[in-house]
Amino acid sequence: DTEVTQTPKHLVMGMTNKKSLKCEQHMGHRAMYWYKQKAKKPPELMFVYSYEKLSINESVPSRFSPECPNSSLLNLHLHALQPEDSALYLCASSQAMTVSGNTIYFGEGSWLTVV
Amino acid sequence: AQKVTQAQTEISVVEKEDVTLDCVYETRDTTYYLFWYKQPPSGELVFLIRRNSFDEQNEISGRYSWNFQKSTSSFNFTITASQVVDSAVYFCALSEAGAAGNKLTFGGGTRVLVKP
Repeated sequence: DTEVTQTPKHLVMGMTNKKSLKCEQHMGHRAMYWYKQKAKKPPELMFVYSYEKLSINESVPSRFSPECPNSSLLNLHLHALQPEDSALYLCASSQAMTVSGNTIYFGEGSWLTVV
Repeated sequence: AQKVTQAQTEISVVEKEDVTLDCVYETRDTTYYLFWYKQPPSGELVFLIRRNSFDEQNEISGRYSWNFQKSTSSFNFTITASQVVDSAVYFCALSEAGAAGNKLTFGGGTRVLVKP
């Protein structure tokens, strides 16, 4: 079983709604990630937090707002999304972001549909 | 820039057949890491294996085996005696030691369908 848990598993939201995706990891990792995956495509990196600070933002639109309340939790706040933002959102964690090659462990993902 | 190519987009086999997934990578770094992940229909990306560029030993784990060849920049994955539960999309990925942020470069993925 994965030690990266994501909620909710499925979310349908309107374009004017505000919602949040939540992620928790139980492995003591200090780096956490958000990836976005469209159908039949590989995951694409959105954000990386290292030691609870935002380290990488891959030019993601501001309607996506990440938050890392502590080393175990990662949120993704959603506001004014577009239908093209419908995708699988994957949370992940690793021991450290500063060391390349650390294995990244993924959660089960949150399937988001914007209507 | 790094690149990972999985030329096979979809493979269909009958249960108990062997299936080999190809992965070819490009990198300028001498130190790098290669990964395979499995993604069943549920969506979770399941880590299968990590290999660094200095370890060219092949590896076997149950019905899974990996063949790493630096000379051809390939890291192929074989499922022996496939089962229906092996049906999934498999991603090969690369992480370069020189890249900031422990970033993964994914291949396009290979969908494996195992029929009973």
